[in-house]
Amino acid sequence: GAGVSQSPSNKVTEKGKDVELRCDPISGHTALYWYRQSLGQGLEFLIYFQGNSAPDKSGLPSDRFSAERTGGSVSTLTIQRTQQEDSAVYLCASSSLRGEWSRTQYFGPGTRLLVL
Amino acid sequence: KQEVTQIPAALSVPEGENLVLNCSFTDSAIYNLQWFRQDPGKGLTSLLLIQSSQREQTSGRLNASLDKSSGRSTLYIAASQPGDSATYLCAGNYGQNFVFGPGTRLSVLP
Repeated sequence: GAGVSQSPSNKVTEKGKDVELRCDPISGHTALYWYRQSLGQGLEFLIYFQGNSAPDKSGLPSDRFSAERTGGSVSTLTIQRTQQEDSAVYLCASSSLRGEWSRTQYFGPGTRLLVL
Repeated sequence: KQEVTQIPAALSVPEGENLVLNCSFTDSAIYNLQWFRQDPGKGLTSLLLIQSSQREQTSGRLNASLDKSSGRSTLYIAASQPGDSATYLCAGNYGQNFVFGPGTRLSVLP
């Protein structure tokens, strides 16, 4: 596609429920990142996928968070047993590395998650 | 610990002024530094990326500089316009880990 897309754009859920957030990166981009932005806070790195390599999960805040990237393209971020502190905007970004560590990251519009 | 800070937290200027946004990082071993713009309720838009071997990058009215030795980057906006009003974020890339600053909220008054 022309840019990074994310769905849903907004999600309201009840505490304790599981949610799945989807990211569709720019076609051909091998690197994919998930971030979280809580209200009034900066961006927090969550997880990084590069090609077929094992993902860097160092930013995931707890074992309730997991992410997959199928076929090197679409990624799903899953939050199990959601808590109110999980409420935030979840942003996805992709980039084309091409032999360097990173190039410009292109961000999706984000998914606004509200846990009641 | 790798940390990125931005000063000021908020800035309000009249239209037409030149302005500078500051970004500081504690770990100078960055691969590159990137400046973003975030409009309310929207995602991030990349503005400029400076590789660690570069000193500055320019795009239109924007100029970003990088001084690894002092752990600083600046974003210079010339002849500011009301459409420049947004939150500006800088991010240091440490390989697979990106560390973002909290942002500077800019308001350009007509």
